[in-house]
Amino acid sequence: GAGVSQSPRYKVAKRGQDVALRCDPISGHVSLFWYQQALGQGPEFLTYFQNEAQLDKSGLPSDRFFAERPEGSVSTLKIQRTQQEDSAVYLCASSLRDRGRSPLHFGNGTRLTVT
Amino acid sequence: QQPVQSPQAVILREGEDAVINCSSSKALYSVHWYRQKHGEAPVFLMILLKGGEQKGHDKISASFNEKKQQSSLYLTASQLSYSGTYFCGTPDTFGNEKLTFGTGTRLTIIP
Repeated sequence: GAGVSQSPRYKVAKRGQDVALRCDPISGHVSLFWYQQALGQGPEFLTYFQNEAQLDKSGLPSDRFFAERPEGSVSTLKIQRTQQEDSAVYLCASSLRDRGRSPLHFGNGTRLTVT
Repeated sequence: QQPVQSPQAVILREGEDAVINCSSSKALYSVHWYRQKHGEAPVFLMILLKGGEQKGHDKISASFNEKKQQSSLYLTASQLSYSGTYFCGTPDTFGNEKLTFGTGTRLTIIP
């Protein structure tokens, strides 16, 4: 595809439900990032993959958050037992692996609302 | 610690110029700039690297002062399409691909 694709675009979950958010990066992009963006704030780092290896998960807020990229392409961010504070836009971005010299290409995000 | 941007918000008339600043308390190895319109994805504008190398759009200019740990984005002859929130992003260490984004600057251009 031409860009990073995320689905679903919107997700409403009842507190306590599990959710799975999908990211389809640009073909050939080795690096994949998940960010969380609260209303009116900048994106905050959650986790980072290089191919299928999760190199950094220091931003995941709790052990309820889990991300995977098993074949080095599509990635899934899973949130278990959702809480109201999980409500945010979840952005996925991909880039070429170039030691930080390549731009991040963002998807349109998944807006998660926990009721 | 995230970079601090200034101003937080600015309103300009079409055709006016704007400067957006990004300041870090840590060493800057490179600076990325992105623009995000409401409800949309952040879009890449520019990367500034140590040594003066820049990669980005021709109509946007920026500066990178490694000693002062600051970067500035210059928008000249602003157009309505420039409206949005601007974020700078910086890596924690040299060559690190993970970015920490700044506090954001909301720019509104009015006719």
